Amino acid sequence: DQQVKQNSPSLSVQEGRISILNCDYTNSMFDYFLWYKKYPAEGPTFLISISSIKDKNEDGRFTVFLNKSAKHLSLHIVPSQPGDSAVYFCAASAKKLVFGKGTKLTVNP
Amino acid sequence: DTEVTQTPKHLVMGMTNKKSLKCEQHMGHRAMYWYKQKAKKPPELMFVYSYEKLSINESVPSRFSPECPNSSLLNLHLHALQPEDSALYLCASSLYFRGQNNEKLFFGSGTQLSVL
Repeated sequence: DQQVKQNSPSLSVQEGRISILNCDYTNSMFDYFLWYKKYPAEGPTFLISISSIKDKNEDGRFTVFLNKSAKHLSLHIVPSQPGDSAVYFCAASAKKLVFGKGTKLTVNP
Repeated sequence: DTEVTQTPKHLVMGMTNKKSLKCEQHMGHRAMYWYKQKAKKPPELMFVYSYEKLSINESVPSRFSPECPNSSLLNLHLHALQPEDSALYLCASSLYFRGQNNEKLFFGSGTQLSVL
């Protein structure tokens, strides 16, 4: 049973536009959420996180929104750049970190 | 130094071989992790070490044997693996492991393992 779901395996956007990556979760015990970015042949790298007591966290071009009632979070990247092309993993934490399957983002020049 | 270094990058082994994966970090992190990732799947937690003691074993088969010789090193000893164990093995570290596992993880590039 997947506790963290990223229903879009891929997303393609134009450079300069907004990228919105979505993530849904089922476990109400999750209290911390993270996004990781992964380039081919590299390990995931931490991007941004949010605690369950907040509904928004912003870091430069990256903003994560959390809707606890809907058990949904999203990552907004604006403006998107070609270097943002990677696989993005949503992860949620209770006693251990659980990852989603990832969304492959392609930003076209 | 914000790197987690894993060796080797690639490994091919037979089902009767014994091999070891190595992981090293010099960030002063006191928690280290092994994850397994199969193609098009998310990373799955295998083991967590906190202060060089095994804190979590996610019911991993005994043919995988972790070892944490000191706070900077983490090994994964492999013996009698099966072809279905072929995967990317990722090491990670974090400042602490508080049981909540909400600390930011730093991942290595992984070892791509193929079992023939």
